[in-house]
Amino acid sequence: SQTIHQWPATLVQPVGSPLSLECTVEGTSNPNLYWYRQAAGRGLQLLFYSVGIGQISSEVPQNLSASRPQDRQFILSSKKLLLSDSGFYLCAWSVGGNSGNTIYFGEGSWLTVV
Amino acid sequence: GQQLNQSPQSMFIQEGEDVSMNCTSSSIFNTWLWYKQDPGEGPVLLIALYKAGELTSNGRLTAQFGITRKDSFLNISASIPSDVGIYFCAGQFNYGGSQGNLIFGKGTKLSVKP
Repeated sequence: SQTIHQWPATLVQPVGSPLSLECTVEGTSNPNLYWYRQAAGRGLQLLFYSVGIGQISSEVPQNLSASRPQDRQFILSSKKLLLSDSGFYLCAWSVGGNSGNTIYFGEGSWLTVV
Repeated sequence: GQQLNQSPQSMFIQEGEDVSMNCTSSSIFNTWLWYKQDPGEGPVLLIALYKAGELTSNGRLTAQFGITRKDSFLNISASIPSDVGIYFCAGQFNYGGSQGNLIFGKGTKLSVKP
């Protein structure tokens, strides 16, 4: 069966520091991968999605970037965090190509920028 | 762009009562999904709907894909305290063989009083 894990689960970082959140998927090949942000427990905002290694699409301009160095690995990064980057970040996957529409989420990572 | 309205925003009900929530979109969708999110965790898929008119149950949960393809509802029968959480609908439109990204509603926060 497929599983998705992201870490760290919680993170407190000072303004201006870098960020790296990592996500891995097991049990499937060539998945579509996603990063979402959720503020105040409501509303899921799509940040990035990837249909393959090295292929990243950004949905909103921001202080963050994403990379996919391996097929089942998706990383969310920032060089300098802002206070407004605080939130709950969710990694997700779906079956690759056009055959799968259902998205499955990871456990989430709480980021607090202080 | 496509918009998705979810209502109600919140519900506070007595244990044992039935619950109904719905989502409507400004355009047609090919897929409707319903998720539940517990505090501090990632959303978990409850029901997936892929065909207009489809009615699907998952235990005490029932969801329907509207005939117009612009709406969906989720019903919970005989609510229990563990039903507490935020429920999200999500829709997706496929066009020209390409699948669009999921669009999420803003969630319905359900509180259950024992």
